[in-house]
Amino acid sequence: DAKTTQPPSMDCAEGRAANLPCNHSTISGNEYVYWYRQIHSQGPQYIIHGLKNNETNEMASLIITEDRKSSTLILPHATLRDTAVYYCIGSSGGSNYKLTFGKGTLLTVNP
Amino acid sequence: NAGVTQTPKFQVLKTGQSMTLQCAQDMNHNSMYWYRQDPGMGLRLIYYSASEGTTDKGEVPNGYNVSRLNKREFSLRLESAAPSQTSVYFCASSGAGGAYQPQHFGDGTRLSIL
Repeated sequence: DAKTTQPPSMDCAEGRAANLPCNHSTISGNEYVYWYRQIHSQGPQYIIHGLKNNETNEMASLIITEDRKSSTLILPHATLRDTAVYYCIGSSGGSNYKLTFGKGTLLTVNP
Repeated sequence: NAGVTQTPKFQVLKTGQSMTLQCAQDMNHNSMYWYRQDPGMGLRLIYYSASEGTTDKGEVPNGYNVSRLNKREFSLRLESAAPSQTSVYFCASSGAGGAYQPQHFGDGTRLSIL
């Protein structure tokens, strides 16, 4: 699995866009970039994933650079409930994939 | 729609005691996983089961055993609990087919070993 690097913490004002960066310079061609988040005391929650194209769903957008060495998760209008630890994970796809969680980024959304 | 259900939610054990953590999912998923999370750390995979009848070791399997009882249930057993196994344990499941299936997590079992 690709090693990923994320800043340990970030702040964002409520209502503004939160842009969470992730570096995955060693990612291989068949590895997806997955994003999960963990709100305090809860189990991780899947957000979005992508291979090489930008992706958007009801929760967030994922922008992957053309060389696939980095990506950015965008929460377009952050709310207080988005305060959580966000994990960027590189892993092969398929039904038996295993996720390797690092320490992630603690995003604090401030009023 | 319950998703992934873990029992118990909290447990305190004495060193040397044994116990089984239970996990059940109602999403008809093929794959199930057990993770542990220590304070300030990310999750680490203990064991996983790609399908009913199969189990494989993850990153930190020592001191644990698992049983895939049926498609719905995947249990984690501590035979002789040690203080180093104090942690929050998460169970997850994922479906089969297609290029990707996200993992769905339970709310965890908080285990303290004295």
